[in-house]
Amino acid sequence: AQSVSQHNHHVILSEAASLELGCNYSYGGTVNLFWYVQYPGQHLQLLLKYFSGDPLVKGIKGFEAEFIKSKFSFNLRKPSVQWSDTAEYFCAVNNRGYQKVTFGIGTKLQVIP
Amino acid sequence: GAVVSQHPSWVICKSGTSVKIECRSLDFQATTMFWYRQFPKQSLMLMATSNEGSKATYEQGVEKDKFLINHASLTLSTLTVTSAHPEDSSFYICSAMGSGGAGVKTQYFGPGTRLLVL
Repeated sequence: AQSVSQHNHHVILSEAASLELGCNYSYGGTVNLFWYVQYPGQHLQLLLKYFSGDPLVKGIKGFEAEFIKSKFSFNLRKPSVQWSDTAEYFCAVNNRGYQKVTFGIGTKLQVIP
Repeated sequence: GAVVSQHPSWVICKSGTSVKIECRSLDFQATTMFWYRQFPKQSLMLMATSNEGSKATYEQGVEKDKFLINHASLTLSTLTVTSAHPEDSSFYICSAMGSGGAGVKTQYFGPGTRLLVL
């Protein structure tokens, strides 16, 4: 069964700091990868996704993620965070050809002005 | 595009009653809808997957007779919590995935329904 690990459960950064959130998955086959964000009081929104092609994926609001197949990783990055990035971030993976998506436990990001 | 709504956003009910939660895809046809439960400080737990016109597929440990799912149309799925008990209190979230266009291969989430059973 697929499993997703997010290593940082709670991250606190100052504005303008760089961000990298780790995500690793267990299944070695072909996968689709996602990062979702949940702002306080709001529902989950898609931040970015990777299905195939360029392993460096750019999403909304200046976020990007890099798929490294050899490391089973899909880390999320942003060069300079803003207070408005305070939210919970979920990594998700589904095995290509299957509908079920497995989510990580989430990382709460707090950005201090 | 790819907007999913849920109704109600929160509900309080007495133990033993049934509660129905609706999930609608507003601007695309959702061939597949998913129902999740989110516990505090935990990730989303998939309860079941429903394909339009078919019976839902439940995850291990989820009682299908307690959590009735109906996906009667390409834009509507319902989750009915039957004979609700306090331990069913939780945050229920649906997502929808389309067969083409913006919704293809990606799940879009509703805002969730908070259920409190007294």
